[in-house]
Amino acid sequence: QAGLTQPPSVSKGLRQTATLTCTGNSNNVGNQGAAWLQQHQGHPPKLLSYRNYNRPSGISERFSASRSGNTASLTISGLQPEDEADYFCSSWDSSLSAWVFGGGTKLTVL
Amino acid sequence: QVQLVESGGGVVQPGRSLRLSCAASGFTFSSYEMHWVRQAPGKGLEWVALISYDGSNKYYADSVKGRFTISRDNSKNTVYVQMNSLRAEDTAVYYCGAAFDSWGQGTLVTVSS
Repeated sequence: QAGLTQPPSVSKGLRQTATLTCTGNSNNVGNQGAAWLQQHQGHPPKLLSYRNYNRPSGISERFSASRSGNTASLTISGLQPEDEADYFCSSWDSSLSAWVFGGGTKLTVL
Repeated sequence: QVQLVESGGGVVQPGRSLRLSCAASGFTFSSYEMHWVRQAPGKGLEWVALISYDGSNKYYADSVKGRFTISRDNSKNTVYVQMNSLRAEDTAVYYCGAAFDSWGQGTLVTVSS
């Protein structure tokens, strides 16, 4: 199953802003939206943003999600050391009747 | 609070079967679709299967279709995945998720002779 496309790595400085992207097509991101999950090494994933781009309770306002066409974005402002993690996007693909994931972006906070 | 506890992982030979369980608590299990997602060592997340809140709809990744079966027992707040004809490439940590909201700690499945 074709997945979503994410850059493998992004590096930003402390307190800077990072924008992670996730590109799909009209059958998934463009029509269904994308969820974003954070995963620290050795831990399970954690939902940061629903497909409608709302944040679950308890998630910092520093995390904001959006979409433009077939590309979803996750913006993390005021980067902190604890933001260093892998970030995955995922979307329901209506043509495949399956969820698809991006390959993940490793965020490094310098 | 929400808790999801996977069990049933282990080492299994290629071609054999294994059943994973995920016990849920702290939320209305019967209202949530449930997912299985896996992560091979050093790799990203791969969606495996989904079952609707009442078990009436099931969806699978192409990589497991015909070999894996997802099911649930709402009276026991538990979701299962029966994995048959296991292959080396099925080796991964398997996570269950309540929608995508919450995830368990995972259980490791190793397929090796």
